[in-house]
Amino acid sequence: QKEVEQDPGPLSVPEGAIVSLNCTYSNSAFQYFMWYRQYSRKGPELLMYTYSSGNKEDGRFTAQVDKSSKYISLFIRDSQPSDSATYLCAMSALQGGKLIFGQGTELSVKP
Amino acid sequence: DSGVTQTPKHLITATGQRVTLRCSPRSGDLSVYWYQQSLDQGLQFLIQYYNGEERAKGNILERFSAQQFPDLHSELNLSSLELGDSALYFCASSALSKQGEAFFGQGTRLTVV
Repeated sequence: QKEVEQDPGPLSVPEGAIVSLNCTYSNSAFQYFMWYRQYSRKGPELLMYTYSSGNKEDGRFTAQVDKSSKYISLFIRDSQPSDSATYLCAMSALQGGKLIFGQGTELSVKP
Repeated sequence: DSGVTQTPKHLITATGQRVTLRCSPRSGDLSVYWYQQSLDQGLQFLIQYYNGEERAKGNILERFSAQQFPDLHSELNLSSLELGDSALYFCASSALSKQGEAFFGQGTRLTVV
């Protein structure tokens, strides 16, 4: 079993929809949680960074971490065609430690 | 632009050969990470250096090695290349004195023929 599980999709939504992306994990030592966006196998771009449990909001993006359930989510409001990309969750047990990535979810937002 | 620079962007080489990938971290970042991304494996951690010293090691093959130099740039050396080594290789850097978020370069696409 992988340490981090993420549904690869693909996920297709109409423009303006709310998108929900999720990851589950098995290692209770993970304390730092990140979401990256990757366009066409370019370099992953950091979207959200969260320490421990709770919510964090940045513009149209909201990240949630539920450590009791070992479950993290990324919500995208008012999705745009430019949001079409692969979204990767990543986790670490140490500040600045190695990141363990999910497989990535491919998202397509249709105009 | 993340501020992390990787060269070359593309590399095509034959089986059995050796290549060197180069990474310049963001200004001020002391920590450098190397990741491999293949179609079937996703992003896999290879190795981390902090201020010139190896800090963490993943499932890096013995044919692969890395180092971080005094000016903080890093090189990943891949030798006795096999077809299965074809992948994207990413470098990331972080400032551990802050939150430790990792910022990625644009990657080197390695094709072994």
